[in-house]
Amino acid sequence: NAGVTQTPKFQVLKTGQSMTLQCAQDMNHNSMYWYRQDPGMGLRLIYYSASEGTTDKGEVPNGYNVSRLNKREFSLRLESAAPSQTSVYFCASSEAGGVYEQYFGPGTRLTVT
Amino acid sequence: AQTVTQSQPEMSVQEAETVTLSCTYDTSESDYYLFWYKQPPSRQMILVIRQEAYKQQNATENRFSVNFQKAAKSFSLKISDSQLGDAAMYFCAYRSASETSGSRLTFGEGTQLTVNP
Repeated sequence: NAGVTQTPKFQVLKTGQSMTLQCAQDMNHNSMYWYRQDPGMGLRLIYYSASEGTTDKGEVPNGYNVSRLNKREFSLRLESAAPSQTSVYFCASSEAGGVYEQYFGPGTRLTVT
Repeated sequence: AQTVTQSQPEMSVQEAETVTLSCTYDTSESDYYLFWYKQPPSRQMILVIRQEAYKQQNATENRFSVNFQKAAKSFSLKISDSQLGDAAMYFCAYRSASETSGSRLTFGEGTQLTVNP
């Protein structure tokens, strides 16, 4: 099993450009998440999808959109990148409820110049 | 909204010694879950240990154990017999047991642990 995969691993964008971060999981999990990690701030939730066909805003959703394409895939889109979106982005998945852990992808380091 | 606070941005320990990382959280809920994740330089997030709030017994996983004080809203991580491979950023995280929460995690700011040989 590959677990949670993310593409790309690194990306450099100019201000105003758009891009989509891809995430896929092969563990048949219902729930998927997008976080961003900034120095000194831990991981903050951008959007999540509790189940296929649903998405909800997290703590820092402004400037982002998401699509739960199917049960396996959950993408994050930046329509018009800004320097404030320079960060490391993590996708995660888990079973819903209970003490189940979240499994994380390897992360995408995004730099917006 | 729940908040998680890790008041120690950096900690260091000598190899083979014991170190304790602190975590406090704020919630009005009575049923929830707590986690410690480790992030080595590879950036991969790895679950270290988990605790269910309704369980009074502290969780233990080999050299890792927690001190869960529900009334004080404290969830510290103790690493015994520290090894060089324990060097990493450690994150404390909270998850509500409410079905409406989407099982999402709220993370603390992290504690960077250095292990000295």
